[in-house]
Amino acid sequence: KAGVTQTPRYLIKTRGQQVTLSCSPISGHRSVSWYQQTPGQGLQFLFEYFSETQRNKGNFPGRFSGRQFSNSRSEMNVSTLELGDSALYLCASSGGVVETQYFGPGTRLLVL
Amino acid sequence: KNQVEQSPQSLIILEGKNCTLQCNYTVSPFSNLRWYKQDTGRGPVSLTIMTFSENTKSNGRYTATLDADTKQSSLHITASQLSDSASYICVVMEGGADGLTFGKGTHLIIQP
Repeated sequence: KAGVTQTPRYLIKTRGQQVTLSCSPISGHRSVSWYQQTPGQGLQFLFEYFSETQRNKGNFPGRFSGRQFSNSRSEMNVSTLELGDSALYLCASSGGVVETQYFGPGTRLLVL
Repeated sequence: KNQVEQSPQSLIILEGKNCTLQCNYTVSPFSNLRWYKQDTGRGPVSLTIMTFSENTKSNGRYTATLDADTKQSSLHITASQLSDSASYICVVMEGGADGLTFGKGTHLIIQP
């Protein structure tokens, strides 16, 4: 079956702008998690959605938000972009809490 | 503060040799521990997930161990192959659905 897909794959924005990233989970998966990966900080957890509800949240400012739709697709929004937001944003889906997570290829965001 | 420490930071071994990667954590309460493999430029791929009651779990040539008393885990790779060259990331999920804590990863290079 099809894997996790993320769009767009690459994005260039300027400081102050906002961006929306999209993630389509594996069919049947109801949990979608978002992560930020940078060379200095490694992988960091942003939040997790399950059945359209945010179930977990990491330590990121309120500029980072997300939502999940009834078909389990998820979007992540970052407002008022800062240079430090440049990173690879990864989305992962799973069937439940203690289940294998499958990651998408990521969206590479560059903030200028 | 929840922390996950991995060692070594990087490792170079010859093809065919075995190696062991370490992960120590202070996350509490504990829910589960995951090992991921991440190839350069790609999203992480799940290798194993272990809950409190599991001491060892294998996935092909990868064997993970967990000692919940000492809060240590290891990932043993047997008969290494060139394709094992990647970053290996240890992730601990906190009980009570309060998020994930990531290690910085071990960068493994397999030389022919």
